[in-house]
Amino acid sequence: KAGVTQTPRYLIKTRGQQVTLSCSPISGHRSVSWYQQTPGQGLQFLFEYFSETQRNKGNFPGRFSGRQFSNSRSEMNVSTLELGDSALYLCASMPGLPSYEQYFGPGTRLTVT
Amino acid sequence: AQTVTQSQPEMSVQEAETVTLSCTYDTSESDYYLFWYKQPPSRQMILVIRQEAYKQQNATENRFSVNFQKAAKSFSLKISDSQLGDAAMYFCAYRIPPYNNDMRFGAGTRLTVKP
Repeated sequence: KAGVTQTPRYLIKTRGQQVTLSCSPISGHRSVSWYQQTPGQGLQFLFEYFSETQRNKGNFPGRFSGRQFSNSRSEMNVSTLELGDSALYLCASMPGLPSYEQYFGPGTRLTVT
Repeated sequence: AQTVTQSQPEMSVQEAETVTLSCTYDTSESDYYLFWYKQPPSRQMILVIRQEAYKQQNATENRFSVNFQKAAKSFSLKISDSQLGDAAMYFCAYRIPPYNNDMRFGAGTRLTVKP
């Protein structure tokens, strides 16, 4: 099976712009989670989608949003970008429940200038 | 709130030697999962080992094993016969099953393996 894929791998945006990141889970996986990784805050949970519904949400402002499609692919959107949004954004998929481990994608490196 | 603490920002080990990475966590839950993930320079997070809190037996995966002390809320990772490919950031993580996929991660330990 192919692993979790994320596109694009690298992205440079300007403050105030918006950005959309994409994640394709492992075939058959129905849960997709998003994480933000920064040197200062480490790995932080953004949100999780399961069967096109947001099931869990971390403590991030409303500028961060996401969605999941019927094929389980997920997108994450950040509006009105700030310098502090520069980070590695990781996507992880799980088969469903009950389950244990998440399988991570390679991440998208977002730089905001 | 559940927190995960990794007290060793950096560790170093000689090739073929053994190293132990520390992790403590804070929770009021009785049922949860614990994980160690490895993140090499390529950035891909890879699951190393997992432990279900209800299991008393420590998990083992080849050269990787854990020392799970539930009462002390401690979950250390032992790497035996260290290899150059083990060099990476190691993250300890915690999750409450079964429907909560909010994984809490520690700050990480950077492991260097010296030839």
